Amino acid sequence: NAGVTQTPKFQVLKTGQSMTLQCAQDMNHNSMYWYRQDPGMGLRLIYYSASEGTTDKGEVPNGYNVSRLNKREFSLRLESAAPSQTSVYFCASSARQGPYEQYFGPGTRLTVT
Amino acid sequence: EDKVVQSPLSLVVHEGDTVTLNCSYEVTNFRSLLWYKQEKKAPTFLFMLTSSGIEKKSGRLSSILDKKELFSILNITATQTGDSAIYLCAVYSAGSARQLTFGSGTQLTVLP
Repeated sequence: NAGVTQTPKFQVLKTGQSMTLQCAQDMNHNSMYWYRQDPGMGLRLIYYSASEGTTDKGEVPNGYNVSRLNKREFSLRLESAAPSQTSVYFCASSARQGPYEQYFGPGTRLTVT
Repeated sequence: EDKVVQSPLSLVVHEGDTVTLNCSYEVTNFRSLLWYKQEKKAPTFLFMLTSSGIEKKSGRLSSILDKKELFSILNITATQTGDSAIYLCAVYSAGSARQLTFGSGTQLTVLP
């Protein structure tokens, strides 16, 4: 089992460019999550998908969109990147929504210049 | 607003020392508290605690939750250089848009 995989590992964008971060899990989990991690701020939830076909905003959703493509895949899109979106992005999954262990992917380091 | 505060922010010890990391929280509708270890990459799960006073153990690591005083501690005995990492505490609050609220972490450095 690969667990949670993310692509790309690194990305540099210019302000205004768009891109999609991809995430896939092979653990047959129902729930998936996108976080960003900034120095001194911990992990903050951007969007989550409690189950296939549903998505909900988290704490910091502005400037992002998501798609739950199927049970395995959950993508995060930046339509018009801004320097404030420079961060490390983590995808995670859990068996179901709720107080359960989340498994994290390796992260994508994004720099917006 | 849900809040999770970890202390200390950073800690430097020598191999063989015992360390205690703290996590206090203020959330509505508490359901569980989770500890993660983050080295260079993804956080990896250590413990989940839901009940007060029941210690969870895994090797040299142990953790306990006090729901009355709203805190948890993570103990690491006989530290090794491989324990060097950021330790994250997170709290799940039912009905919260955040799902899991994370603290900002404790950076532990274990020197040989």
